Amino acid sequence: QKEVEQNSGPLSVPEGAIASLNCTYSDRVSQSFFWYRQYSGKSPELIMSIYSNGDKEDGRFTAQLNKASQYVSLLIRDSQPSDSATYLCAVAGGGADGLTFGKGTHLIIQP
Amino acid sequence: DGGITQSPKYLFRKEGQNVTLSCEQNLNHDAMYWYRQDPGQGLRLIYYSQIVNDFQKGDIAEGYSVSREKKESFPLTVTSAQKNPTAFYLCATVSVGELFFGEGSRLTVL
Repeated sequence: QKEVEQNSGPLSVPEGAIASLNCTYSDRVSQSFFWYRQYSGKSPELIMSIYSNGDKEDGRFTAQLNKASQYVSLLIRDSQPSDSATYLCAVAGGGADGLTFGKGTHLIIQP
Repeated sequence: DGGITQSPKYLFRKEGQNVTLSCEQNLNHDAMYWYRQDPGQGLRLIYYSQIVNDFQKGDIAEGYSVSREKKESFPLTVTSAQKNPTAFYLCATVSVGELFFGEGSRLTVL
């Protein structure tokens, strides 16, 4: 059984600070890793994908992957109140059966 | 506009009734998926389809049925056999390994 673990939070971060979200996964053969943002009552929106070890930056977002430790993280720099949402970590094993999702971390950016 | 359209957005059902949730896409994507989300929970896979006239069960297929008669359409039927159907249902397609979602359908059983 593939598992993806996230701290459910809430994680409270002051506006302008760096928010750090973490995720671990159980399946060593996982190949693709994703971060989705979900606002309350809305569907998830893809914000980052990462496929190889190291860092990947896109604007204020940085995804980090460490396959040896089975760990993926998302950093949000200069956090804004609009970043307040639930962040879902998702993992793909390369098969056709879609993604395995964590339960999400609820992030609150305090003005 | 290109995208994934789910309908209805909100649906109320009495116990014992079957309901069908619609998912249509005009992205020309082959693979389509149905996920279920409960409050405070991650998404769980119900069914998926890689090509027309073929589909596979996901992790929680019991009490659900699907069809894939056209590439553009992947409807989900929530049957009376589904013991706890109240949830947020999400349809998705895949492009270059990345999953994209429709706006979702929220089903409430009265």
